[in-house]
Amino acid sequence: RKEVEQDPGPFNVPEGATVAFNCTYSNSASQSFFWYRQDCRKEPKLLMSVYSSGNEDGRFTAQLNRASQYISLLIRDSKLSDSATYLCVVTPHGSSNTGKLIFGQGTTLQVKP
Amino acid sequence: GAVVSQHPSRVICKSGTSVKIECRSLDFQATTMFWYRQFPKQSLMLMATSNEGSKATYEQGVEKDKFLINHASLTLSTLTVTSAHPEDSSFYICSASAGLAGHEQYFGPGTRLTVT
Repeated sequence: RKEVEQDPGPFNVPEGATVAFNCTYSNSASQSFFWYRQDCRKEPKLLMSVYSSGNEDGRFTAQLNRASQYISLLIRDSKLSDSATYLCVVTPHGSSNTGKLIFGQGTTLQVKP
Repeated sequence: GAVVSQHPSRVICKSGTSVKIECRSLDFQATTMFWYRQFPKQSLMLMATSNEGSKATYEQGVEKDKFLINHASLTLSTLTVTSAHPEDSSFYICSASAGLAGHEQYFGPGTRLTVT
């Protein structure tokens, strides 16, 4: 079983739509959680951290459910520029001094006009 | 934000040759650098973690004699793919971390390696 699992998609949505991505992780002792965005043939870039209380950054809302080992990302009012691959990232237990990141396969979003 | 560069951005080499990829932190001192590999439509896989002045720690399944990592200074780490084969063709990405909060990583733009 992969440590971080995502539906690879692609998700094809019209501009203005709301879209949600899900991610599950296998290690209940995982410490920190993030969503990264990766454009085609580019490096990943941090989109937002994910906290148990849920957090929002503009049109983006991230949620963490530790009991279910489940992370979500909600994008409201999709823009063409949101088209990218969204990577769910987890840090394993005890990694606070190593910085190790475990990446999911990514979910591809294509926003169409 | 912090800037990390990689060189070259793209390289094509013949099977059996070696290729060196450089990763530089341009405006901060990177105590730790990470090397990842990403095959098409797959996730980034951590290959190794390198700390300045010490030997790299390789992930399970990554051959340390094939992927030589050197982190000689706080701003430079190199990855050398020795005796490259077509199956080594991939996108290699480095990241650098400056602080004690190791999760704060800054990624380089990546190097696309094609072995013919």
